[in-house]
Amino acid sequence: DGGITQSPKYLFRKEGQNVTLSCEQNLNHDAMYWYRQDPGQGLRLIYYSQIVNDFQKGDIAEGYSVSREKKESFPLTVTSAQKNPTAFYLCASRAGQNLTFGSGTRLTVV
Amino acid sequence: DAKTTQPPSMDCAEGRAANLPCNHSTISGNEYVYWYRQIHSQGPQYIIHGLKNNETNEMASLIITEDRKSSTLILPHATLRDTAVYYCIVRLFYNFNKFYFGSGTKLNVKP
Repeated sequence: DGGITQSPKYLFRKEGQNVTLSCEQNLNHDAMYWYRQDPGQGLRLIYYSQIVNDFQKGDIAEGYSVSREKKESFPLTVTSAQKNPTAFYLCASRAGQNLTFGSGTRLTVV
Repeated sequence: DAKTTQPPSMDCAEGRAANLPCNHSTISGNEYVYWYRQIHSQGPQYIIHGLKNNETNEMASLIITEDRKSSTLILPHATLRDTAVYYCIVRLFYNFNKFYFGSGTKLNVKP
């Protein structure tokens, strides 16, 4: 089945450590996105990529970095510069007008 | 993109129609109305979208008022599995990267 795989589902890290969240899709979609969701809130756009080797900052890019070396993969690194990294992270891809989401990674920094 | 306003929560009895309202009074002529839903701790799922006309698919119906300032998502026969947060989003038709998800409406379907 085609879809988006985010791993791991739960991730724990110590404060000050960088951590990379994985996002892989087999939908052959060109565009991919990373969103952050805090409890009881909507989704906020972190980064997006419309094509391989290209990506753009979203509304809350500070403290995050991404790469897009392959069409299928769009990993997100949460750096130590991100002041409040504990959140639910969602990856999505797009073909046409609609977004398809993964099941998310819940990151907890202690 | 136009701002949307949704009630924070609604209840619906199982088997009954769920009608979820959304106000988008500043919508412009080339902005689409989208609906997504998010079941707890999962990624949002696309439901339906429209520009001017009412739309229906296997999941739901979308009713857009004639002046396009508001819309209603209708789940014709709500089940317990429809309990979720429903997001109404307005997006420029060419601005594929700007899907703004607000706080949405938490729909509680009760037996």
